[in-house]
Amino acid sequence: EPEVTQTPSHQVTQMGQEVILRCVPISNHLYFYWYRQILGQKVEFLVSFYNNEISEKSEIFDDQFSVERPDGSNFTLKIRSTKLEDSAMYFCASRMDQTRTEQYFGPGTRLTVT
Amino acid sequence: AQSVSQHNHHVILSEAASLELGCNYSYGGTVNLFWYVQYPGQHLQLLLKYFSGDPLVKGIKGFEAEFIKSKFSFNLRKPSVQWSDTAEYFCAVNGDSSASKIIFGSGTRLSIRP
Repeated sequence: EPEVTQTPSHQVTQMGQEVILRCVPISNHLYFYWYRQILGQKVEFLVSFYNNEISEKSEIFDDQFSVERPDGSNFTLKIRSTKLEDSAMYFCASRMDQTRTEQYFGPGTRLTVT
Repeated sequence: AQSVSQHNHHVILSEAASLELGCNYSYGGTVNLFWYVQYPGQHLQLLLKYFSGDPLVKGIKGFEAEFIKSKFSFNLRKPSVQWSDTAEYFCAVNGDSSASKIIFGSGTRLSIRP
């Protein structure tokens, strides 16, 4: 069964550094999402992406964040200058098309900012 | 705005006990409802979903949930839990817009005593 994959599984970075989290959505899916889960808290929506542009973003998704689909398979989340409070589990998800609302989640990348 | 409330933060049961986890949502339009499970150290997995039709939906691993529109509820049930059901359970909702994000509840941690 096709799965969403994410790399790396764990990323440790120093405050102020840039990080890029990578995701490979399921190949025939058209909608892509990033969520995050700070330790002990609920999963929060960050951004949705469709047709090569952001379709919706949350208040968390400020100018420090950006997303890109650089080729036909990858979907990346970049944090330009990481802060301690960016430490969280970041989940990528994809969805097939407009008629199907189910999102499939990847295993997550644990980002630790020191 | 959409929101999801899960009433129980931590539930402790013995094996073979029956389970019911509460979930209430608020959303003005047509909703899609989900229960996700997160086993220790693993990623989010879909347990079951409700889009339309029969309000009693059956999912994987013997779980079921009932959508009660008048109560804005979507409670998760299992008649007899196992130690392997120890996990975090998230109720979630999304609307039917084209790129709709998923809104998660705060989660319920389920601990099963062997």
